[in-house]
Amino acid sequence: ETGVTQTPRHLVMGMTNKKSLKCEQHLGHNAMYWYKQSAKKPLELMFVYNFKEQTENNSVPSRFSPECPNSSHLFLHLHTLQPEDSALYLCASSQEWAHSGYEQYFGPGTRLTVT
Amino acid sequence: DAKTTQPTSMDCAEGRAANLPCNHSTISGNEYVYWYRQIHSQGPQYIIHGLKNNETNEMASLIITEDRKSSTLILPHATLRDTAVYYCIVRGIISNFGNEKLTFGTGTRLTIIP
Repeated sequence: ETGVTQTPRHLVMGMTNKKSLKCEQHLGHNAMYWYKQSAKKPLELMFVYNFKEQTENNSVPSRFSPECPNSSHLFLHLHTLQPEDSALYLCASSQEWAHSGYEQYFGPGTRLTVT
Repeated sequence: DAKTTQPTSMDCAEGRAANLPCNHSTISGNEYVYWYRQIHSQGPQYIIHGLKNNETNEMASLIITEDRKSSTLILPHATLRDTAVYYCIVRGIISNFGNEKLTFGTGTRLTIIP
């Protein structure tokens, strides 16, 4: 248990569906991240939020829409996805800036399958 | 971000020390070395990080060479539960807030043999 929870753990959706992934952290962190892990590929950073403000969008297609209503919650809204978007979507959180370095805590991920 | 190079896979006998090497020859002076691991079907787990000095915590030890161009993660008494993919990452900063960008490579798949 890392203090970062993600729901649902598994999701199957059609290409015309709209769904949302939810992440919640109970660690008092102010930065939250979305990563994508496709089969046999490294984790890819998608979005970064710091104090609810988006500070990074790593050239992610607009069919992925993040939302961060507060520092503890992060959503990833999905619409008109493609089969190649099937992957493990991971949420992480961390403290904000610290000179000595700090770690990211990851949730268990949502396994998404687009049919 | 500095690129890291790790062996694709390694085996280690249960109870022995597992030594996982990482090369990061282009690391710059203010970049930290991080180690994470990912057990099958779980999110990555932070292990340890360091800048110049060797570091030790309850999970592992991190040995960084004096020129900082390589490092070794040591799991002192490997157990079956240590079977995972281990990622060596050099941290980059991506915002004025200090948000870090962890660029995960393909890592080393460590298998602990009973």
